[in-house]
Amino acid sequence: DAGITQSPRHKVTETGTPVTLRCHQTENHRYMYWYRQDPGHGLRLIHYSYGVKDTDKGEVSDGYSVSRSKTEDFLLTLESATSSQTSVYFCAISVSSGSSYEQYFGPGTRLTVT
Amino acid sequence: AQKITQTQPGMFVQEKEAVTLDCTYDTSDQSYGLFWYKQPSSGEMIFLIYQGSYDEQNATEGRYSLNFQKARKSANLVISASQLGDSAMYFCAMREGKLIFGTGTRLQVFP
Repeated sequence: DAGITQSPRHKVTETGTPVTLRCHQTENHRYMYWYRQDPGHGLRLIHYSYGVKDTDKGEVSDGYSVSRSKTEDFLLTLESATSSQTSVYFCAISVSSGSSYEQYFGPGTRLTVT
Repeated sequence: AQKITQTQPGMFVQEKEAVTLDCTYDTSDQSYGLFWYKQPSSGEMIFLIYQGSYDEQNATEGRYSLNFQKARKSANLVISASQLGDSAMYFCAMREGKLIFGTGTRLQVFP
């Protein structure tokens, strides 16, 4: 258990409304990530963070913004939700130890945009 | 171009048999890492195994082993003695800075 929680776990929202998803970790890991999972695409990286207020874009960042004001929290915002953003969103942290590297995921948030 | 390719959309295996899930990758980096994750029907992503590009021995974790063939750029997952609970989606991923995932293989274990 890497101590990662996501909230909400499920959300239904209407097109055009803003939505914020929260990822919380309890172990002060530096790196945090947001992915989306869609059928036929596996997981795709949206944004990631390498420290407080340090973030960067992933491969599918359009329509999303992130913020990290505290080590433990990484927020993903959809400024104006669209139906194409209906997906399952996963947060992840990475842990490096010597030559080992592991990435652990939160339980996911299922977002439906109607 | 696809960075991670999993050519088997679905696989079947009988309980107690071994199964190999294929994964090939494409990178020009010398330093990279390869991962396998399991996603059961409940939806969570479970980390299974990791292989660094400089690791000379194949990684093993219990019934999971990673058959790493660097020259062929393949990183197949071998599950020995399959169990009914192994039925799930399996994703191969490569760390090239960030993690890049394949599209997954659905494994079904039958009695």
